[in-house]
Amino acid sequence: GENVEQHPSTLSVQEGDSAVIKCTYSDSASNYFPWYKQELGKGPQLIIDIRSNVGEKKDQRIAVTLNKTAKHFSLHITETQPEDSAVYFCAASRGSARQLTFGSGTQLTVLP
Amino acid sequence: GAVVSQHPSRVICKSGTSVKIECRSLDFQATTMFWYRQFPKKSLMLMATSNEGSKATYEQGVEKDKFLINHASLTLSTLTVTSAHPEDSSFYICSASPGGGNQPQHFGDGTRLSIL
Repeated sequence: GENVEQHPSTLSVQEGDSAVIKCTYSDSASNYFPWYKQELGKGPQLIIDIRSNVGEKKDQRIAVTLNKTAKHFSLHITETQPEDSAVYFCAASRGSARQLTFGSGTQLTVLP
Repeated sequence: GAVVSQHPSRVICKSGTSVKIECRSLDFQATTMFWYRQFPKKSLMLMATSNEGSKATYEQGVEKDKFLINHASLTLSTLTVTSAHPEDSSFYICSASPGGGNQPQHFGDGTRLSIL
């Protein structure tokens, strides 16, 4: 089955700085890679996703890059704000409607 | 946007009680829904795939007689934790996709289950 590894487990940055979270996956058949933000006591909220036919996708301050050859993908958050503080999960699947395999999560803290 | 609603948000009950959790897709139909379990400061672990009109598919190690899943309509899946014990205490989360093969999954806000 799929195995997704995520690093780092915790990340602290100063407000305004950039944050980068990295994930690797094992199943070469995986073709869909979403990123979720989870706040305390809430369910995960999709923030951005990328499919295997695209190398990079950007949405305002958030971007995701995908390297299919190396089987890794990364989340980039620029100009971080305190409200970006949360747990971020990467995931992989063989299709957006298929079951997701999650990474272990990254606790991002943005210091004011 | 697609909304998934879970109810109740929190349950506290005595050991031996059965607890039902509902997952509803509010503005779309979902032939498939997923149930996850999350321990404190841990990741989401898939428990089972709920299929409308047929039996659920359980992940290895998940007891199907313990965690009963019913997906009787295109907008509702239920998870019943039978004869719950303290070790069943956890955060249970469901997800669903509007389907069509290209839509992302949306998650409910979870149910915090505490068994005393």
